[in-house]
Amino acid sequence: GENVEQHPSTLSVQEGDSAVIKCTYSDSASNYFPWYKQELGKGPQLIIDIRSNVGEKKDQRIAVTLNKTAKHFSLHITETQPEDSAVYFCAAQIGDTDKLIFGTGTRLQVFP
Amino acid sequence: DTAVSQTPKYLVTQMGNDKSIKCEQNLGHDTMYWYKQDSKKFLKIMFSYNNKELIINETVPNRFSPKSPDKAHLNLHINSLELGDSAVYFCASSKGQGMKQYFGPGTRLTVT
Repeated sequence: GENVEQHPSTLSVQEGDSAVIKCTYSDSASNYFPWYKQELGKGPQLIIDIRSNVGEKKDQRIAVTLNKTAKHFSLHITETQPEDSAVYFCAAQIGDTDKLIFGTGTRLQVFP
Repeated sequence: DTAVSQTPKYLVTQMGNDKSIKCEQNLGHDTMYWYKQDSKKFLKIMFSYNNKELIINETVPNRFSPKSPDKAHLNLHINSLELGDSAVYFCASSKGQGMKQYFGPGTRLTVT
């Protein structure tokens, strides 16, 4: 069935360093890939997304890259800050449906 | 100015009871969703509605019944609650298929 694998499950970095989270999806018909940040006790917040017709998208310190051939996409956070600490989820839309399959989440901790 | 709101935020109840969770969005979106997040933070879609019509119905027990009185509201009614129903339930909305999904703050359901 449809599947999204996400690595690593936990990531600790020093403030100012970069963080990279990687996802792999199984459905070759997927064409929309959002990333969500979830802080403790809150709902997931959409931080960036990418569609299959582009290979990279950037928004200030956050960037997402997509390799459709390899079915990989990654989240890059540069100059990390303590407030970036949260759980991050990748997701892939399944084919022509409205269904998002989520990865298992990455707990990012940024130490001052 | 809450975009997607849910009530209640916390719900503690006993096995066998029937309960409802309400969701409202003021974004003018046509599509609304219910997701379940288990204790391991795994996020999975349960239902989606487009303009009050059921679009996605994952393999959810029929004890769960979504109801959409209008396109700004999607409520979730759960009959005969079981221990395994304990989770955080999130409502979300989007403009339509394949569009950005915005999540509510969640309802933590605890069944004792």
